[in-house]
Amino acid sequence: DAGITQSPRHKVTETGTPVTLRCHQTENHRYMYWYRQDPGHGLRLIHYSYGVKDTDKGEVSDGYSVSRSKTEDFLLTLESATSSQTSVYFCATLGSVGTDTQYFGPGTRLTVL
Amino acid sequence: KQEVTQIPAALSVPEGENLVLNCSFTDSAIYNLQWFRQDPGKGLTSLLLIQSSQREQTSGRLNASLDKSSGRSTLYIAASQPGDSATYLCAVLRASGTYKYIFGTGTRLKVLA
Repeated sequence: DAGITQSPRHKVTETGTPVTLRCHQTENHRYMYWYRQDPGHGLRLIHYSYGVKDTDKGEVSDGYSVSRSKTEDFLLTLESATSSQTSVYFCATLGSVGTDTQYFGPGTRLTVL
Repeated sequence: KQEVTQIPAALSVPEGENLVLNCSFTDSAIYNLQWFRQDPGKGLTSLLLIQSSQREQTSGRLNASLDKSSGRSTLYIAASQPGDSATYLCAVLRASGTYKYIFGTGTRLKVLA
């Protein structure tokens, strides 16, 4: 497995506060992804990155921003957390398109009160 | 728009039974299709990856097939064991140049001892 860590692993916050989740990888993979997983919806893509400082939106990007200043780190920021953003967030990486598989981090459980 | 569907949503079988999980997708323009396993409270682990030019892949008791023209993939599990109990998700990588994965909502499998 690719060395992917996520921090924090659990977080409880209040509505309206900013929150930043961190994904760190040690495999030098080019592509990195942020997903959220909710019952009945499966995994939905929030944002992804195809290189340092190169990012693009996924299907549920409203209320989220990302940054990637180094190959190994991909940050997800909830600008002003809402209760609808309570979810489990997964980071994933991909070494090369088409032939490689996605590797997933352990997830961050976020609760917004 | 690519949509991925997995039926059934849940499945319970006795130990030793051979079983098939289904995944269907609406757009045949894909790079590859992957099957993942997810244990409760954990991240996703890749099981098999099938390239768009391939028909099937095998790993141990698992065999995955791909029929692009009909938009279908199946995951065959032989001689099921209680340790196979997990949620199984399929995901397709769209051949659209954006390197975004679309996930199904998963099949929750329980193998009874």
